[in-house]
Amino acid sequence: GDSVTQMEGPVTLSEEAFLTINCTYTATGYPSLFWYVQYPGEGLQLLLKATKADDKGSNKGFEATYRKETTSFHLEKGSVQVSDSAVYFCALSLGEGAQKLVFGQGTRLTINP
Amino acid sequence: GAVVSQHPSRVICKSGTSVKIECRSLDFQATTMFWYRQFPKQSLMLMATSNEGSKATYEQGVEKDKFLINHASLTLSTLTVTSAHPEDSSFYICSAGIGKSNQPQHFGDGTRLSIL
Repeated sequence: GDSVTQMEGPVTLSEEAFLTINCTYTATGYPSLFWYVQYPGEGLQLLLKATKADDKGSNKGFEATYRKETTSFHLEKGSVQVSDSAVYFCALSLGEGAQKLVFGQGTRLTINP
Repeated sequence: GAVVSQHPSRVICKSGTSVKIECRSLDFQATTMFWYRQFPKQSLMLMATSNEGSKATYEQGVEKDKFLINHASLTLSTLTVTSAHPEDSSFYICSAGIGKSNQPQHFGDGTRLSIL
């Protein structure tokens, strides 16, 4: 079945460090890919998305490129801030009309000043 | 951007009580709404998918009679946890979408349910 695998956390970095959170997927078709972020005690917010191969999603300094050949959608940021501390979820969506999301297990990120 | 309002944000009640959680899309019409459950430090577990005007589709292992879902309009879905027990304590999150897989779902802020 369709699935998403994220790198295990927690991840702890110092402010201004480079961030990579790996995400790979398995899907029978051509999914749309998303990164969502969850701050403590809140719901999820869309961070970025990509809907076809080689698309790059970007927002708030975060980027992820849809790599069909490696079935990956790794999240990157060049210089993280304390305010980026949150849980990050990679997800895929398949099927016109269904829009059901399949989530990875989430990666908890902590940025120390 | 699209806003989804979920209410209440926190509920504490006694065992045996039924609790209703509302999910509203404030500035768009949501063809489909989703209800998730999230355990501490875990990912979201999809409970059910509801389309306006039709019965919800429940995921395997989710009790339909325990978790009643109503999607009466394109902007409102409700989840009722009937006769709640301590094991139902969790963080419940709704999301809303327009039924296209290349469009993101928009999430509410969640409801922390605590059953004493």
